[in-house]
Amino acid sequence: DADVTQTPRNRITKTGKRIMLECSQTKGHDRMYWYRQDPGLGLRLIYYSFDVKDINKGEISDGYSVSRQAQAKFSLSLESAIPNQTALYFCATSDPLTYEQYFGPGTRLTVT
Amino acid sequence: GIQVEQSPPDLILQEGANSTLRCNFSDSVNNLQWFHQNPWGQLINLFYIPSGTKQNGRLSATTVATERYSLLYISSSQTTDSGVYFCAVASGGSNYKLTFGKGTLLTVNP
Repeated sequence: DADVTQTPRNRITKTGKRIMLECSQTKGHDRMYWYRQDPGLGLRLIYYSFDVKDINKGEISDGYSVSRQAQAKFSLSLESAIPNQTALYFCATSDPLTYEQYFGPGTRLTVT
Repeated sequence: GIQVEQSPPDLILQEGANSTLRCNFSDSVNNLQWFHQNPWGQLINLFYIPSGTKQNGRLSATTVATERYSLLYISSSQTTDSGVYFCAVASGGSNYKLTFGKGTLLTVNP
């Protein structure tokens, strides 16, 4: 079984709708991250969490919110989706000693 | 923040050929990772290599931290090697924050 899982894997939604992307991990890592990838570009950090009580904004947090429900779960919400949030979204965890990051399979989100 | 430049942006090979991908970065790093993004979009960890040399099968990587670059070598390329290769780094007190390069798009033709 995959160490980092994301649901849904694909989602099409309409402008103005609220949507939640979920991430679960079995690696036992405290640190979790949400990234977004636009076509032809690398990944950019949206939010990160060092533990259940610690949540921080990344470089592109506007229009997004997160919830860290447990050590193993980190959710990303779009309160009112807009078309330029169409992207591939990745969740990741990191090793506490080396900081090596491990990524989930991604969620492809389309906002029409 | 730290800058990451990857070259070449695109590379087309015949199956069996060798290739070298380069990643230059603008500051000292305490984390450097290479990833392969396959045509289905999945990111696969290739190497965690803030310094030194590592090998895994047909792939190897070298990071020369003092000169701020890393190289990814692919030998005897196969069509399944096609995809985008990303270099990502983290530096200083922001060791949690990976900054990604724009990637190298590799196409291996049969």
